[in-house]
Amino acid sequence: EPEVTQTPSHQVTQMGQEVILRCVPISNHLYFYWYRQILGQKVEFLVSFYNNEISEKSEIFDDQFSVERPDGSNFTLKIRSTKLEDSAMYFCASSESVGRTGELFFGEGSRLTVL
Amino acid sequence: GDSVTQMEGPVTLSEEAFLTINCTYTATGYPSLFWYVQYPGEGLQLLLKATKADDKGSNKGFEATYRKETTSFHLEKGSVQVSDSAVYFCALRISSGGSYIPTFGRGTSLIVHP
Repeated sequence: EPEVTQTPSHQVTQMGQEVILRCVPISNHLYFYWYRQILGQKVEFLVSFYNNEISEKSEIFDDQFSVERPDGSNFTLKIRSTKLEDSAMYFCASSESVGRTGELFFGEGSRLTVL
Repeated sequence: GDSVTQMEGPVTLSEEAFLTINCTYTATGYPSLFWYVQYPGEGLQLLLKATKADDKGSNKGFEATYRKETTSFHLEKGSVQVSDSAVYFCALRISSGGSYIPTFGRGTSLIVHP
């Protein structure tokens, strides 16, 4: 069964360092998303991506964040200069469609710990 | 804005007990409602959904009914198993200025003891 894969599963970094989280969405999906969940809080939308560009982003997704689809398979989230409050579980998701009833398919998540 | 509120966890039950996990939503329009489940070490996966009022979504013995009058989508199961131990996320999807970005709750952890 096709699945979304994420790497790394856990990354520990020092404050101020750059981090890249990687995702391989399901191959025939066209819409890609990043969400994050700070421990004990809601799963928060960061950004969506379609047709090689950002389609939507939340207020959380500031200039420290960027996304890229460098080739036909990978979808990356970059945090340029990590802060303590960036510590969270980051989920990548993909979907075939963008409509009201569609399902998202998630990866296992990448846990980021900023020290 | 649109939001989802779930009951706090963890919910701890014995095997074969009845489960209810409450979910209420706030939405400016007419959402579709979803329950996702995350088993240990895995990603979130769709458990069930309902796309209009009074619809009942069901899967693996779980059910949830879309109640527009109470803006709720409570998850229920008549007899839980140890294998149901997981985190359950309520979510909505609604058009907001042409966007259908899904909105999630914080998740409710369910622990089922033998």
